[in-house]
Amino acid sequence: AQSVTQLGSHVSVSEGALVLLRCNYSSSVPPYLFWYVQYPNQGLQLLLKYTSAATLVKGINDFEAEFKKSETSFHLTKPSAHMSDAAEYFCAVRPAPGANSKLTFGKGITLSVRP
Amino acid sequence: EAGVTQSPTHLIKTRGQQATLRCSPISGHTSVYWYQQALGLGLQFLLWYDEGEERNRGNFPPRFSGRQFPNYSSELNVNALELEDSALYLCASSRDSDNEQFFGPGTRLTVL
Repeated sequence: AQSVTQLGSHVSVSEGALVLLRCNYSSSVPPYLFWYVQYPNQGLQLLLKYTSAATLVKGINDFEAEFKKSETSFHLTKPSAHMSDAAEYFCAVRPAPGANSKLTFGKGITLSVRP
Repeated sequence: EAGVTQSPTHLIKTRGQQATLRCSPISGHTSVYWYQQALGLGLQFLLWYDEGEERNRGNFPPRFSGRQFPNYSSELNVNALELEDSALYLCASSRDSDNEQFFGPGTRLTVL
């Protein structure tokens, strides 16, 4: 079974500041991990994914995340926040290729960016 | 390349009615997934179809059902609607079950 924990429901940063959104996972098998972003009244857009290759994953819009097996973490970072980054962010886990490809999502974190 | 499309955008029903939601996957994608995003409950996996077969379903009652057509598009049917079925229903597709999922814009179902 898999689960994802995203601590806190809201993060607020100033424009230009570092963005750090935390994600911890639990998985009984090697996981694939994903970060998605959801803008108001829209679907989910994939930011980046970890699929057992490089542990440091770079995604769109200068976001990146590092897979740390020892900490069961996959935190999302961005060096400098833009106003356009304000959205809800979801971390998700699924088993590495196998019979069950459903995504299990965390509860999401709302990112606010202050001018 | 067109993305995942869903229809209708909004759907308003009354308690006890049936709702039908539709999804067209990205061309070449054979797997379709349905998720429910209800207020306060987050994103919950509903159903997974691949090559016309239901492969997995989440912890939802049988009144949630669906199908996948030969052209890989999919329908989600919700019978005997309850107030708590009000949610954003998201469809996603992938090239196969081992690839990343691409999401549509969703159908917002409101049950009055």
